[in-house]
Amino acid sequence: QSVLTQPPSASGTPGQRVTISCSGSSSNIGSNTVNWYQQLPETAPKLLIYSNNQRPSGVPDRFSGSKSGTSASLAISGLQSEDEADYFCAAWDDSLNGHWVFGGGTKLTVL
Amino acid sequence: QVQLVESGGGVVQPGRSLRLSCAASGFTFSSYGMHWVRRAPGKGLEWVAVIWYDGSNKYYADSVKGRFTISRDNSKNTLFLQMNSLRAEDTAVYYCARDRDRLDNWGQGTLVTVSS
Repeated sequence: QSVLTQPPSASGTPGQRVTISCSGSSSNIGSNTVNWYQQLPETAPKLLIYSNNQRPSGVPDRFSGSKSGTSASLAISGLQSEDEADYFCAAWDDSLNGHWVFGGGTKLTVL
Repeated sequence: QVQLVESGGGVVQPGRSLRLSCAASGFTFSSYGMHWVRRAPGKGLEWVAVIWYDGSNKYYADSVKGRFTISRDNSKNTLFLQMNSLRAEDTAVYYCARDRDRLDNWGQGTLVTVSS
């Protein structure tokens, strides 16, 4: 019952390009920027993309983000085995007093 | 470098209390809003609470409102989460995170298990 909707799983083979979608509403993605996080097992979430399409230093340019209306997507090109992780989208939601909302997460499997 | 280290998790019976701490270093703690976010087993991330940089405002998720209290001690660079009347559904890894218009740094998390 996450506020943002993501597919529960995605997969690809090494070298492929995969995309993960994230759908929200006018109070979150529709009016604020989207961030993406990568979470490897037993580790803290790591900021992967911020402000829809910006990469923090150290994040490879294989990772890219985009947003249109109330939806966003994360693309991973040149898939590598170490990309196998959970990916979450997040956005600020203006409802109530304002709060962060997240997608339910997408488990990426590298075949 | 920015470092956030949570502590205080453990196994607790339903209805009991627990206090989590988050020790911050590597940045000016008193300049940033801070959040608690949790991830229950097999589920996604859930925002729990936020406290403004100076502690002047605090907001909570409906699921914890009235039971959890977020606070901070800027003199000790530490964030807290007092959790009362714990329920089984509060079982999760709890993360503290820094707010810089995005949650840009997270701690490694501390596991809270509510079970009889």
